Amino acid sequence: DVVMTQSPLSLPVTLGQPASISCRSSQSLLHNDGNTYLNWFQQRPGQSPRRLIYQVSKRGSGVSDRFSGSGSGTDFTLTISRVEAEDAGFYYCMQGTHWPWTFGQGTKVEIK
Amino acid sequence: EVQLVESGGGLVQPGGSLRLSCAASGFTFSSYWMHWVRQAPGRGLVWVSRLRGDGSRTSYAASVQGRFTISRDNAKNTLYLQMNSLRAEDTAVYYCGRDDPGTNGIDYWGQGTLVTVSS
Repeated sequence: DVVMTQSPLSLPVTLGQPASISCRSSQSLLHNDGNTYLNWFQQRPGQSPRRLIYQVSKRGSGVSDRFSGSGSGTDFTLTISRVEAEDAGFYYCMQGTHWPWTFGQGTKVEIK
Repeated sequence: EVQLVESGGGLVQPGGSLRLSCAASGFTFSSYWMHWVRQAPGRGLVWVSRLRGDGSRTSYAASVQGRFTISRDNAKNTLYLQMNSLRAEDTAVYYCGRDDPGTNGIDYWGQGTLVTVSS
């Protein structure tokens, strides 16, 4: 299975400041069809996951433009341009290129 | 509005069985692959199983292969997960999710149902 490794695992952030989370895969996520299937999910405390980003950099429906995704191959980044209080929670990357789909271990974003 | 509502979780003894349900609304259920994803207490997300819209194709994680069976009733807009030979390590919140065609991802998630396997 493809191993997804996130860093850092804990990220204290200041309101209004940017924040970035890294996700690395053990294999390239470039699919034979030319697309790269890397997703990012947000899970607020006590809630179910919510998709933020798909195919590396495309924002999901209703997702704030403060969230952006980048990367290629095996290295990917989720960036929050200006952190707001509602951004606290866990963030997970997930690869959809290889079966089975696999998730990173999660990054906890805490507001200082 | 897309809604997914899981039910059927609870406390079960090791070796026991449980069937989870996921009631879907707000979209043409039969046109979508559907997934189950689980999250052990305090842990991350793990993909469990998927099922094609017409029920003709399935996939399972190795950890549940042979013990869990995914199915659906498109007339009732409901997805199921039959879980047999349950183990302590199956304890988790189980989420159903809708596949987003062409993106290889899940765009809508239910609120989850907790399964606890303990004697």
